[in-house]
Amino acid sequence: RKEVEQDPGPFNVPEGATVAFNCTYSNSASQSFFWYRQDCRKEPKLLMSVYSSGNEDGRFTAQLNRASQYISLLIRDSKLSDSATYLCVVNSYNQGGKLIFGQGTELSVKP
Amino acid sequence: DAGVIQSPRHEVTEMGQEVTLRCKPISGHNSLFWYRQTMMRGLELLIYFNNNVPIDDSGMPEDRFSAKMPNASFSTLKIQPSEPRDSAVYFCASSLPLINTEAFFGQGTRLTVV
Repeated sequence: RKEVEQDPGPFNVPEGATVAFNCTYSNSASQSFFWYRQDCRKEPKLLMSVYSSGNEDGRFTAQLNRASQYISLLIRDSKLSDSATYLCVVNSYNQGGKLIFGQGTELSVKP
Repeated sequence: DAGVIQSPRHEVTEMGQEVTLRCKPISGHNSLFWYRQTMMRGLELLIYFNNNVPIDDSGMPEDRFSAKMPNASFSTLKIQPSEPRDSAVYFCASSLPLINTEAFFGQGTRLTVV
């Protein structure tokens, strides 16, 4: 079983749609969580950190459920520019601070 | 700050040749990661350094791969001998060793072994 697993993609949605990505992690001692965005043939970049209480940044909302070892990302009113691959990332300090990436979910927003 | 700098950006080499990838982390960052990305396997962590010391190299695929960090501003990933299945994009990333801190990636080295 992979340490971080994400919804298989791709997700094809129209502009304005709401889309949700899910992610599960296997190490219960994981301490920090992130969503990264990767555009085609580019490096991954931080989209947002994920906090226990949940957090929002504009159209983006991230949630964490430690009991279920589950992370989610919600994108509201999707834009063409949201088309990218979204990567769930977990940092486990009991493994020496490893940043483990999920496989990524590709999002394509169509006009 | 120039960000994480990797070189070369592209490398094409023949099977059996030695390949050396280079990385300069962001000044002041104590943690450095080497990742490999392929379509089939996604982004895989190869090795992680903290304060120039390798902490976890369990992701290094085999003895043909080696990584060094001789000082806080430079790291190398070497493949010797290279094989076609090593073809991938290799990313270097650096961060501060703090909880909830962002890792910054270089632009990657696209390696093709023919």
